[in-house]
Amino acid sequence: DVKVTQSSRYLVKRTGEKVFLECVQDMDHENMFWYRQDPGLGLRLIYFSYDVKMKEKGDIPEGYSVSREKKERFSLILESASTNQTSMYLCASRNSGSSYEQYFGPGTRLTVT
Amino acid sequence: AQSVSQHNHHVILSEAASLELGCNYSYGGTVNLFWYVQYPGQHLQLLLKYFSGDPLVKGIKGFEAEFIKSKFSFNLRKPSVQWSDTAEYFCAVNANQAGTALIFGKGTTLSVSS
Repeated sequence: DVKVTQSSRYLVKRTGEKVFLECVQDMDHENMFWYRQDPGLGLRLIYFSYDVKMKEKGDIPEGYSVSREKKERFSLILESASTNQTSMYLCASRNSGSSYEQYFGPGTRLTVT
Repeated sequence: AQSVSQHNHHVILSEAASLELGCNYSYGGTVNLFWYVQYPGQHLQLLLKYFSGDPLVKGIKGFEAEFIKSKFSFNLRKPSVQWSDTAEYFCAVNANQAGTALIFGKGTTLSVSS
């Protein structure tokens, strides 16, 4: 089974802090994704990566950056956390074959106070 | 740009009632279509998917969905819901090309009373 793990289930940070959210997948997938999930808004794509050191902006990249130094790991960085970044963050991965199914991690619920 | 529209924000049903959740997408090319489910406190998991072929696809737990290309729709159905189907349901679309991500609808919360 594909396994996508995220470093924390719950995280509380203060406004202005730099925050790192880590995601690791164990299936050698080329593509990895970061979404945020908010009630009534569904999942919105922040960034994705289709290869090591490659990244593409999603629909809401402002206030975020990403890093992919190794194939299995994709990090989401909040350079200076703000209260409007309080959300559930979901990581996903998929391979580059004909199946476009994405596999999701359990999510990190981030609260910025 | 692609977009996905789910018509119902919250659906409330009694057990054994039939379910249909609407999903429409906007994209003119070839697409892959998905329904994901998120049970309370759990992570997103795939319910079913459509890539090509038979437009009626069957998924886990008795769910099915029908792709109607002319209507840009991919509605989810289940003939008889159970209390355990209480969850949030997301429709998603992906353009059939490399380097693209799933685009999700805003989700439909299903509450089933026993």
